[in-house]
Amino acid sequence: AQSVTQLGSHVSVSEGALVLLRCNYSSSVPPYLFWYVQYPNQGLQLLLKYTTGATLVKGINGFEAEFKKSETSFHLTKPSAHMSDAAEYFCAVSDPGGETSYDKVIFGPGTSLSVIP
Amino acid sequence: NAGVTQTPKFQVLKTGQSMTLQCAQDMNHEYMSWYRQDPGMGLRLIHYSVGAGITDQGEAPNGYNVSRSTTEDFPLRLLSAAPSQTSVYFCASSYGGGISPLHFGNGTRLTVT
Repeated sequence: AQSVTQLGSHVSVSEGALVLLRCNYSSSVPPYLFWYVQYPNQGLQLLLKYTTGATLVKGINGFEAEFKKSETSFHLTKPSAHMSDAAEYFCAVSDPGGETSYDKVIFGPGTSLSVIP
Repeated sequence: NAGVTQTPKFQVLKTGQSMTLQCAQDMNHEYMSWYRQDPGMGLRLIHYSVGAGITDQGEAPNGYNVSRSTTEDFPLRLLSAAPSQTSVYFCASSYGGGISPLHFGNGTRLTVT
């Protein structure tokens, strides 16, 4: 079964600084990968996804992520943090079904991003 | 568009009580799922469904029951509530199973005393 790790349960950056949120997955085959964002008291929203093709994926709000198969990583970056980026960020991976189960999505534990003015 | 609608938003139960969390989507998605969110643990998959009449267990199914009689609705039943089920519950749907982006509801915050 797939698993996802996110290094750092809490990350603080200054406004205007680079944002880097780390995600690693366990898989022997290229998976489908996602980043979701959760603002306080809301559900999750899709930031970006990787399926196949270009390994650098651009998402909403200036975020992007790079799929690195050799490192089994899918780190999320943004060149310049804004106060409105403060939220919880979740990396997720599709877990393909087998003979007795179906595709499902497995989430990492999340990283809380704080932006310091 | 309503998207994914969850009711109720908040619920307090006593240990041993049962209840049903409702989830409905109006996007004609075949795939629907229930997650619980606990601090430091991210989202854990409880149950999911790939279409009417087809359900399967996720990582944390114990104490929960589901059925899927229509494409639109996917209720989650707590059979006998326990304090360990205090959590925030999210319903999500997608058009293509685990390979497609999930659309989330706004969650149900459940407290079991």
